[in-house]
Formats: sequence, structure tokens, C-alpha cells
Amino acid sequence: AQSVTQLGSHVSVSEGALVLLRCNYSSSVPPYLFWYVQYPNQGLQLLLKYTTGATLVKGINGFEAEFKKSETSFHLTKPSAHMSDAAEYFCAVSERGYQKVTFGTGTKLQVIP
Amino acid sequence: EAQVTQNPRYLITVTGKKLTVTCSQNMNHEYMSWYRQDPGLGLRQIYYSMNVEVTDKGDVPEGYKVSRKEKRNFPLILESPSPNQTSLYFCASSQTGGAYEQYFGPGTRLTVT
Repeated sequence: AQSVTQLGSHVSVSEGALVLLRCNYSSSVPPYLFWYVQYPNQGLQLLLKYTTGATLVKGINGFEAEFKKSETSFHLTKPSAHMSDAAEYFCAVSERGYQKVTFGTGTKLQVIP
Repeated sequence: EAQVTQNPRYLITVTGKKLTVTCSQNMNHEYMSWYRQDPGLGLRQIYYSMNVEVTDKGDVPEGYKVSRKEKRNFPLILESPSPNQTSLYFCASSQTGGAYEQYFGPGTRLTVT
């Protein structure tokens, strides 16, 4: 069965600092991996996804993530945090051949001026 | 404009009074899904549908029903709501499941007293 673990329910960074949000997955086969962002009082929107090919994936708003099979990880990074990045971030996994998507518990990012 | 709509956006009801939350998408997507979001638990999938008349249980289906009679609509039915179903509900759709991005509705905040 697939599962997702997001380490840290709350992360605080200073404006301009590196953002690192951690995601580890469990899957019996190589999965599809996603990061979604949720701004206050809104639905979720896709930041980036990994399906196949290059393991470093670039997304919107300067975010990127690297699929590391050996570490079963898909951590989200951004070199320099902006105030507008304050939101909740969700990692999600879907096993190949299956339609079910499993989300992590989310990480709230606070950006301190 | 491509979108997923949900109605109502806010609902306060009493225990045992049947209710339906509607969901509609205008992107001709095959896959639709319902999630509930609770603090500390992230998004948990309630039901999903891979096409008309094809539905399957997610992780937390107890107390909920769904139907998919038309491709664009996927209503969520609570036949006898209870206080533990107080939550924020999201409908989502995608081209198919698995590797494809999900598009989320704006959410329905349900309170059951």
C-alpha cells in the first residue's frame, strides 16, 4: 500500500532563506509524485509532479523537487523564500497502474520578514 | 474557464438530516474524487470515480455515498450526518487518475451539530 510522510507540520524560514520541505513515500512500485500548495481559504493547486524521466523537476513559483529512489524521497526546495510562499504544502503519491492518490498530512510554511 | 465548482460553500446542519454537496467540472475529465481535510490529518480520500457509473472507495468512505450518472457531476451524499463529519470537503477532477494533475474545487465547509 502506498503512503506519504511529511516531516514537520510547521516550518518557519526567513524571507530570502532556503525553503526545504521534506516528503518520503512508501510504494511497492515506482510511483507518481506530486507537490500541491494550498493558500488560505482556497483549494489545492499543483506545484510540480514527477512521472518519469529527469529526477529533478521544476515547478511554478521557483520551486523544484528531486526524486531520489534510493531514499524514497521527494523533497521540495526553493532557493529564496518570498512572503507570498506562506501556505500549506502537500506531498502526494499515486502508484503506477492504480488510480488512487494518497496525500501527506501537509506542512505549513511561515515566512518571517 | 476550466474549473471545478462545489455547492454549497458553507453548510451548517443538524445530526441526521440528509444533505448533498454538489460537484461539477467543465473539463471533460474522466476521474473525479472527494476528499475531506482535517487539521493534522491532511487530505483523506473518501470516494473516487474513474468514469460514469464507476466508483470506488477511498480511505474514509464510511457514512458517505456518491454517484456518477453524468461525466461532469459527482455529488457527495451524507444520508445521516454526524458531528464527526464536520470537516472541509474538496472535490477534484483529472484527465484520468494516476499521473495526471488534479484540479480542485474551492471547498465546502460543513458543520454538523
